[in-house]
Amino acid sequence: AQSVAQPEDQVNVAEGNPLTVKCTYSVSGNPYLFWYVQYPNRGLQFLLKYITGDNLVKGSYGFEAEFNKSQTSFHLKKPSALVSDSALYFCAVREIHNAGNMLTFGGGTRLMVKP
Amino acid sequence: GAVVSQHPSWVICKSGTSVKIECRSLDFQATTMFWYRQFPKQSLMLMATSNEGSKATYEQGVEKDKFLINHASLTLSTLTVTSAHPEDSSFYICSARLAGLETQYFGPGTRLLVL
Repeated sequence: AQSVAQPEDQVNVAEGNPLTVKCTYSVSGNPYLFWYVQYPNRGLQFLLKYITGDNLVKGSYGFEAEFNKSQTSFHLKKPSALVSDSALYFCAVREIHNAGNMLTFGGGTRLMVKP
Repeated sequence: GAVVSQHPSWVICKSGTSVKIECRSLDFQATTMFWYRQFPKQSLMLMATSNEGSKATYEQGVEKDKFLINHASLTLSTLTVTSAHPEDSSFYICSARLAGLETQYFGPGTRLLVL
């Protein structure tokens, strides 16, 4: 079975400060990991993914995430937050040999960036 | 990037009617499409996985006769909510996966309100 945990329901950060949105996962084998962002009343937008290779993955809008196998984490980071980054962020995992290609999503973390 | 559309974006219907939601991959062929349901302030719950030309695979607890899925072509999947009831009111989101790749691209979602 595969699962994802996002321990923080909400993260508050001031504009210009660095932000981190936490994600830990559990899979029986090796993972594919994803971050998506959702704006109000909208679908999900793909931010970045880890499939293989470098543990530090760079994605859209200046976001990056670091895959840490020993800690089974894939935290999302950005060096300098913008008010427009305020949204709902979802981490998702798929075990590599999951034949159904099913993604399992975390519960989501609401990011609030204040001016 | 890959674009997925959904139609309609909003639908309000009376209890007992059926509602069809379309999901289209606009600039790529999607061998697999996924249907999710999202309740307010909650994460996405996978309802079913749809492969072109074959029957959909439903997640446990999802009634296949209630939520009819058709994936007749590589660019179109439809979800029909049959005999809708107020408890079916939700935000329905589809995603599509490019053949051979791992990333799922999401549609903008369809908000269904059953009166």
